[in-house]
Amino acid sequence: DVKVTQSSRYLVKRTGEKVFLECVQDMDHENMFWYRQDPGLGLRLIYFSYDVKMKEKGDIPEGYSVSREKKERFSLILESASTNQTSMYLCASSPGTLVYNEQFFGPGTRLTVL
Amino acid sequence: LAKTTQPISMDSYEGQEVNITCSHNNIATNDYITWYQQFPSQGPRFIIQGYKTKVTNEVASLFIPADRKSSTLSLPRVSLSDTAVYYCLVGDPSSGSARQLTFGSGTQLTVLP
Repeated sequence: DVKVTQSSRYLVKRTGEKVFLECVQDMDHENMFWYRQDPGLGLRLIYFSYDVKMKEKGDIPEGYSVSREKKERFSLILESASTNQTSMYLCASSPGTLVYNEQFFGPGTRLTVL
Repeated sequence: LAKTTQPISMDSYEGQEVNITCSHNNIATNDYITWYQQFPSQGPRFIIQGYKTKVTNEVASLFIPADRKSSTLSLPRVSLSDTAVYYCLVGDPSSGSARQLTFGSGTQLTVLP
């Protein structure tokens, strides 16, 4: 059974802290994605990676960075957390070289920045 | 990028067929239409994808008219467990850009007993 796991379901951090959100997939997928989900705004793409060490900005990359050192792991980094980054963060992966292939999502991390 | 428009919410009763329509007036020739389902506290789950006419799987059917400016997700005989948010996406499978992965706000379907 395909699986995408995220390091935490709930996370509380303080303004200015550096925050790491980890995502691991066990399906040997090439593509990995980070989204944030806010009420009324749906899912918005933050960053996308199509290969190890490769990344592409999504719609809202400001305030975020990513790291993909291994194929199965994709990390989202908030360099200096701010209250407007309080949100649900969803990681996904998809196979192959086509970005639009079926995505498999993790359960999400609800981040609260105080 | 093709923008999509869906109703914000819909209510239905158990056992009924539900049709959720998505408008995508500026869909491009190479674009496909994909639908995802999201339950509370979970990530979205792929339901169905199509290019034209009709596609059916064990979960749903997808109807796409000839002009492809809209599409309709059809859920037969819904149950309470079909209560979820449904997202319509439009994009080109051959494109290497992730910028087309716009989920929008989706349609909240509530199935009533």
